[in-house]
Amino acid sequence: EVQLVESGGGLVKPGGSLRLSCAASGFTFSKYSMNWVRQAPGKGLEWVSSISFSSDRYYADSVKGRFTISRDNAENSLFLQMNSLRAEDTAVYYCARARIADWDRYYFDSWGQGTLVTVSS
Amino acid sequence: EIVLTQSPATLSLSPGERATLSCRASQSIGSYLAWYQHKPGQAPRLLIYDASNRATAIPARFSGSGSGTDFTLTISSLEPEDFAVYYCQQRSRWPPSLTFGPGTKVDIK
Repeated sequence: EVQLVESGGGLVKPGGSLRLSCAASGFTFSKYSMNWVRQAPGKGLEWVSSISFSSDRYYADSVKGRFTISRDNAENSLFLQMNSLRAEDTAVYYCARARIADWDRYYFDSWGQGTLVTVSS
Repeated sequence: EIVLTQSPATLSLSPGERATLSCRASQSIGSYLAWYQHKPGQAPRLLIYDASNRATAIPARFSGSGSGTDFTLTISSLEPEDFAVYYCQQRSRWPPSLTFGPGTKVDIK
């Protein structure tokens, strides 16, 4: 069974940093592209970042230059380093697996339960 | 940038009724569209990919159709567990990005 478990969320002041982690199990992690998707309070889903199995990285414009996605295939883990955090980054952050690596057919077939990040003074 | 719009914003129905949800893309995206179900406090769930293919373990009452710019998710007979928010999602090639529609909430009438 595929399992994705996020951790690292919490309360941080504007301008601060936070590092999210996602522990993966139940599949060959190194063969899949992985992603972060967030949901701000009362809002819809928003794609944040993706990393391919070969570590190509993609970011939403709203986080480009502030967030960095990375992975450790030996530890079956996905990370999101978040710097220069803003109030509008407050959200539940989900780790999600891409069904296949083909960007044209890029869908999220497994999701974690999410970790809450609150940016407030 | 391709924008997805969903209608209606809210759909109020009773169990057993048919639900028809719409997703429209601002330009043609072929059949490259997915639908997700999201309940409060839970992980989102992939329902449909490539516009009309049911994901693993998704009941047959869920079906997807459409291509180009207009897509539909149909729930043939609503079960109590189907009341949730539904999102469509697509990709843009350049710049590489992934976008979700704003969602349709299906609630109990």
